[in-house]
Amino acid sequence: DTAVSQTPKYLVTQMGNDKSIKCEQNLGHDTMYWYKQDSKKFLKIMFSYNNKELIINETVPNRFSPKSPDKAHLNLHINSLELGDSAVYFCASSQGPPGGANVLTFGAGSRLTVL
Amino acid sequence: GQQLNQSPQSMFIQEGEDVSMNCTSSSIFNTWLWYKQDPGEGPVLLIALYKAGELTSNGRLTAQFGITRKDSFLNISASIPSDVGIYFCAGYSPYGGSQGNLIFGKGTKLSVKP
Repeated sequence: DTAVSQTPKYLVTQMGNDKSIKCEQNLGHDTMYWYKQDSKKFLKIMFSYNNKELIINETVPNRFSPKSPDKAHLNLHINSLELGDSAVYFCASSQGPPGGANVLTFGAGSRLTVL
Repeated sequence: GQQLNQSPQSMFIQEGEDVSMNCTSSSIFNTWLWYKQDPGEGPVLLIALYKAGELTSNGRLTAQFGITRKDSFLNISASIPSDVGIYFCAGYSPYGGSQGNLIFGKGTKLSVKP
């Protein structure tokens, strides 16, 4: 009974392709996030969504677009994939907006490899 | 932007030894969190700290929120092989660093020899 689940776990694709990663949380949380973990294991925020509205948008390329059909889902679409997009992408959720006592619960990650 | 300096970067220890790692910042934080990431998995919350000086334990793990609000440490006592993984500190800055989102340290990779 996974709290934050994301699919696929592994994704291998060619440069220039468009791909999506899906995320679902069953915790009843109001805020969802996407983090990128590079090869040095550094975790960097990409997006956060609160009640279906984008509340913070880090300066990521506009080839990346988050889409939230409802508060339990936050999907990540990536257009025109580049080699540098290869990384592990983590979805996370929290009860409220970032800050204070809102701890994040993470999914297991989706490893994207761009060839 | 604001950064968290986490050290050491990696540790190789013998089973049974105690471990200590810490995180520092040039500015104050009002929440400190410690996460552990196992290979192929996402980070899992170990301990959350919300007040300066707070000392909290979770089994063999103990973490403290520094009095200056600019640092935190995590101790693991009597390490066992399953303690292997990457430990991350993370925090929220009251100055809205990283646009208010949780800021992560670069991690401490722990290896335990049986």
